Amino acid sequence: DAGVIQSPRHEVTEMGQEVTLRCKPISGHDYLFWYRQTMMRGLELLIYFNNNVPIDDSGMPEDRFSAKMPNASFSTLKIQPSEPRDSAVYFCASSWGTTTDTQYFGPGTRLTVL
Amino acid sequence: AQTVTQSQPEMSVQEAETVTLSCTYDTSENNYYLFWYKQPPSRQMILVIRQEAYKQQNATENRFSVNFQKAAKSFSLKISDSQLGDTAMYFCAFNDPSNTGKLIFGQGTTLQVKP
Repeated sequence: DAGVIQSPRHEVTEMGQEVTLRCKPISGHDYLFWYRQTMMRGLELLIYFNNNVPIDDSGMPEDRFSAKMPNASFSTLKIQPSEPRDSAVYFCASSWGTTTDTQYFGPGTRLTVL
Repeated sequence: AQTVTQSQPEMSVQEAETVTLSCTYDTSENNYYLFWYKQPPSRQMILVIRQEAYKQQNATENRFSVNFQKAAKSFSLKISDSQLGDTAMYFCAFNDPSNTGKLIFGQGTTLQVKP
């Protein structure tokens, strides 16, 4: 299996621009998670989906962030407009079955907002 | 609120030696899951080991083992015969099935294995 795939690996953009991060979960996994990693806050869950339906988005920092999962093999995390404080590493993870199953992480996207 | 604490920001160990990373957590739940993830410089988050709270036996995966003390809410990771490739940041994580199942991570411990 190819594992969780994320693109791009690196993104540099200017403040105010729209940023879209992409994720392809492991085939057959029913759960998809978006995490953000920063030095100040560590790893924090932004949102997660079950069978393409958003279940918990309480970690989404504000309305500038949105996430979609149009089908079982693709999800996006969009930031519009982006701000310098959004600079972080964004991880996508997926798991099979219940939320207690092991989560497998993608390689992450390092986002830099200038 | 559930929390996970890793009290050792940095540690080092000589190659082939044994090292133990500490983790404590706080929860009022009885059934939950604990994990150790490794994040090498490549940034990839890699599962090292997993422990179910209802299991008394400590989990082991080759050179990696845990000391799970449920009453003390402690979950330490022991790495035996340390290798240079073990150099990474290690995160302890807690997953509470009754709280949407999201992973709550500790702050991480940076481990350097010295030749």
